Amino acid sequence: GQSLEQPSEVTAVEGAIVQINCTYQTSGFYGLSWYQQHDGGAPTFLSYNALDGLEETGRFSSFLSRSDSYGYLLLQELQMKDSASYFCAAFGGSQGNLIFGKGTKLSVKP
Amino acid sequence: GAGVSQSPSNKVTEKGKDVELRCDPISGHTALYWYRQSLGQGLEFLIYFQGNSAPDKSGLPSDRFSAERTGGSVSTLTIQRTQQEDSAVYLCASSFGEAYNEQFFGPGTRLTVL
Repeated sequence: GQSLEQPSEVTAVEGAIVQINCTYQTSGFYGLSWYQQHDGGAPTFLSYNALDGLEETGRFSSFLSRSDSYGYLLLQELQMKDSASYFCAAFGGSQGNLIFGKGTKLSVKP
Repeated sequence: GAGVSQSPSNKVTEKGKDVELRCDPISGHTALYWYRQSLGQGLEFLIYFQGNSAPDKSGLPSDRFSAERTGGSVSTLTIQRTQQEDSAVYLCASSFGEAYNEQFFGPGTRLTVL
């Protein structure tokens, strides 16, 4: 089967750093994506890791370790607007589509 | 268009009725995806098209669900004999090339089956 596990909820304070972990089990694997979704909104793309290591885009970074079937999203200098759900998604199934995790709801407190 | 559009934005129907949901992808995007999201849940993959072809339809929850894409552009998701458990937000996304490329999502259609 194919599955991705991530924490259901994370709470952090403004200005802090938070890490959202994702472990995956897929039949075939090419890479890990991350999407952000605000309440009532559509998911928006954040990053894609095909290779091991850290990818940095502004305040957000994403990491992948293929040997550990593990990745994380790192959010720095948290802002209130970062309160949203964050989904990891794996690409590589025989269907050629993304398989999404159930999402992590991040709440940023003042 | 500027982004992925979906219609209708909201649909309320009675149990047993058929519904059609429409998706207009970004022009030039070869891949199109349908997902379903129940309240507070993750995205459940339904089906994807590469051009007009759907390589795998096994994500569709039952034979009441069908989808087609014509002209490599607009797609329609049809749900026959709707059930209350079909109530969800149906999201469409498109991308250029493979699924790992950035997928651009539409605003979704909120379906409520009474």
